Amino acid sequence: EDQVTQSPEALRLQEGESSSLNCSYTVSGLRGLFWYRQDPGKGPEFLFTLYSAGEEKEKERLKATLTKKESFLHITAPKPEDSATYLCAVQAHSGGYQKVTFGTGTKLQVIP
Amino acid sequence: EAGVTQSPTHLIKTRGQQATLRCSPISGHTSVYWYQQALGLGLQFLLWYDEGEERNRGNFPPRFSGRQFPNYSSELNVNALELEDSALYLCASSGGPGAGEQFFGPGTRLTVL
Repeated sequence: EDQVTQSPEALRLQEGESSSLNCSYTVSGLRGLFWYRQDPGKGPEFLFTLYSAGEEKEKERLKATLTKKESFLHITAPKPEDSATYLCAVQAHSGGYQKVTFGTGTKLQVIP
Repeated sequence: EAGVTQSPTHLIKTRGQQATLRCSPISGHTSVYWYQQALGLGLQFLLWYDEGEERNRGNFPPRFSGRQFPNYSSELNVNALELEDSALYLCASSGGPGAGEQFFGPGTRLTVL
């Protein structure tokens, strides 16, 4: 069974304090890994897609990287507006169709 | 380009009633997914529709059902509502079975009293 584990569950940073969020996965035949940002009470906002080990994507203060077993979301010099829950999801080929499995997220709080 | 839309924004029902939630996908997207997110919890996969057919469903009882219309919009029906059905219901769309990126709507907050 496909599994996606995110760590830590919660992270509290001072403004400007860089850190990384981890997403480890166990799937057969990874087709893609996705990162989302979710604000309280709202739908997740798509951030990145990564397809193969070694790939990196950047957007403002966020950089996502992918290895064969995990992905990292690096946050450089975060600001309070980066506070949100960050979700990771993997797409794998399963039973003739593409299945997407979500992790439970990392809740990030950036303190001014 | 318009994103995924959902209606209503909020819905209040009493136990035993039925709820109907609606979703319009991004133009050109054929797949629609439904998720349940209880307060403080992760996304729980409910249903996936593509080209009008149910392709997969999560581990939910049969009283959770839905359909997809010819214009690819979708409806989620929850019968015999229970208190624990109170949650944010999220709809997402993608370009089809092979497209991994899902784009989410703002959600419908269902409260069961």
